Amino acid sequence: AQTVTQSQPEMSVQEAETVTLSCTYDTSESDYYLFWYKQPPSRQMILVIRQEAYKQQNATENRFSVNFQKAAKSFSLKISDSQLGDAAMYFCAYPMNRDDKIIFGKGTRLHILP
Amino acid sequence: GAVVSQHPSWVICKSGTSVKIECRSLDFQATTMFWYRQFPKQSLMLMATSNEGSKATYEQGVEKDKFLINHASLTLSTLTVTSAHPEDSSFYICSASQRTSGMVPHHEQFFGPGTRLTVL
Repeated sequence: AQTVTQSQPEMSVQEAETVTLSCTYDTSESDYYLFWYKQPPSRQMILVIRQEAYKQQNATENRFSVNFQKAAKSFSLKISDSQLGDAAMYFCAYPMNRDDKIIFGKGTRLHILP
Repeated sequence: GAVVSQHPSWVICKSGTSVKIECRSLDFQATTMFWYRQFPKQSLMLMATSNEGSKATYEQGVEKDKFLINHASLTLSTLTVTSAHPEDSSFYICSASQRTSGMVPHHEQFFGPGTRLTVL
């Protein structure tokens, strides 16, 4: 069965510093997507970045990048030059090809220290 | 990106009453809509999946008669919490999906802003 694991319930980072959020997953599929979602205090889910598993190149969106290790089934999110607005819950997510459901990790709450 | 709205954004009701939450895809036709429940400081818990014109598929442990889902059109799904009780108080989020093309077609989900339900 597919699973998504985020082992860091909470993390803190100094403003302007870099932080990495970890995520591991399990799947038997060979082609799939992986997502990182951000949920700020407003609770609106925002897609931060997506990675296509068949692409070896790590996805990048401005200050957000991933370290995708397909063999290790690892999908970490790196936030560079952290800003106060980055404070949020971050969810790693795996959309299932079979029935279009999304499996979410338990989330990591990120605090930005001024 | 695609926009999904939810109404109301918050609602307070008395125990025993029913509450309806609407989820609309504003600028696209959603083949599938999903309803989630989120407790404080926890992840999203999928309650049910609904496809336009057919019965919703509920996740294990979710009461069908308590949480009625209607997906009347490709842009509207409703969740009705019937005979609400304080334990139903929660944050409810819907999402609407649209099939994407590409090497690995999948349904990308777009999320509504959520509805906070408080049952007194």
